[in-house]
Amino acid sequence: DIQMTQSPSSLSASVGDRVTITCRASQSISTHLNWYQQKPGKAPKLLISSASSLQSGVPSRFSGSGSGTDFTLTINSPQPEDCATYYCQQFISTPTFGQGTKLEI
Amino acid sequence: EVQLVESGGDLIQPGGSLRLSCAASGFTVSSSYMHWVRQAPGKGLEWVSAFYFGGTTYYADSVKGRFTISTDSSKDTLYLQMNSLRVEDTAMYYCVRALTGSSVFHYWGQGSLVTVSS
Repeated sequence: DIQMTQSPSSLSASVGDRVTITCRASQSISTHLNWYQQKPGKAPKLLISSASSLQSGVPSRFSGSGSGTDFTLTINSPQPEDCATYYCQQFISTPTFGQGTKLEI
Repeated sequence: EVQLVESGGDLIQPGGSLRLSCAASGFTVSSSYMHWVRQAPGKGLEWVSAFYFGGTTYYADSVKGRFTISTDSSKDTLYLQMNSLRVEDTAMYYCVRALTGSSVFHYWGQGSLVTVSS
């Protein structure tokens, strides 16, 4: 299985900051990479698919980039409601997830 | 509106069996791409199984031979039959719908908790 490694495991940011979460795949996955947001006690929510496609209804402060093995989720000027754990997931083969990044605002 | 409602989670002893159900509305389960994804308490997400339109099924190595995914088209319901349960199967189990054959998980249920403990 393809291993997905996220960094950092947790971070703290302030409103107005720029937050960057990285995800690295153990082998090339082209752009077969999704990002999910999970708030405490809730199911995950799809934010970005295929590395950079923002899902309908997701605020434009979220963006994704990357291809091959290295990917980035960026949150410009995070808001208090963005407190959550973020997961990357590859779907070029048997789906696997990163270990998650917990964001505190 | 797409809705997924899981049920069937329970406290079960190791070696026991349990069947999870996922009632769908807003679309037809048997002509969709459906998955089960689980999350152990305080841990990350793990894909478990998939049922693809046409009847093809897939399983994670960790559950292969013990779990069976299926659908009932008359009830628009997805199932996960779990046998020979182990302590490490303890998790919240999410029913998930992908819009295509690619594992992009668009819609999630609220989850059903399975606890395997003596």
